[in-house]
Amino acid sequence: EDKVVQSPLSLVVHEGDTVTLNCSYEVTNFRSLLWYKQEKKAPTFLFMLTSSGIEKKSGRLSSILDKKELSSILNITATQTGDSAIYLCAVGIKAAGNKLTFGGGTRVLVKP
Amino acid sequence: GAVVSQHPSRVICKSGTSVKIECRSLDFQATTMFWYRQFPKQSLMLMATSNEGSKATYEQGVEKDKFLINHASLTLSTLTVTSAHPEDSSFYICSVGPQETQYFGPGTRLLVL
Repeated sequence: EDKVVQSPLSLVVHEGDTVTLNCSYEVTNFRSLLWYKQEKKAPTFLFMLTSSGIEKKSGRLSSILDKKELSSILNITATQTGDSAIYLCAVGIKAAGNKLTFGGGTRVLVKP
Repeated sequence: GAVVSQHPSRVICKSGTSVKIECRSLDFQATTMFWYRQFPKQSLMLMATSNEGSKATYEQGVEKDKFLINHASLTLSTLTVTSAHPEDSSFYICSVGPQETQYFGPGTRLLVL
């Protein structure tokens, strides 16, 4: 059975801190790994990773995939209170259409 | 990315009634849409894949007679929760994607009394 596991489950940091979130997966026929941010409503897309070792960056957020370790990390630098959210990792599988399998999410709270 | 809308955003109904939720892809013709359910403080659980012009594909453990899906056009999929019970109360979200990047609708919060 395909599995996506995120850690930690939750964390609390102060503004300005750096946060590193982990996602590991056990799937057959890996195609892509995606990161989403969910605040009060539906998730918003952050990154899609398909190749190992290539960092994707958007402002203070960055992410990288390690296919050897079957994992990915999402980094947030200089955190702000607006970064408080649930961060979801999802994996797409070849021959499964565009279906995604989601991890349990990491809840991040950034305190002022 | 794709723009997705859902209606209604929130619904409260009595136990035993049926509720229909619409998911619209506003700028992308979607042959496939996905329906998820999310319980409080939990992750997204895929319920089914909605296929335009054919039957939906349900995930294991999801009752197809309970959660009816109709994908009648390339821009609209509907999820009907039939004979709703309090345990069906949840956040229902649909997604659409040109490829494997899925874009989500704003979600529908269902409360069954």
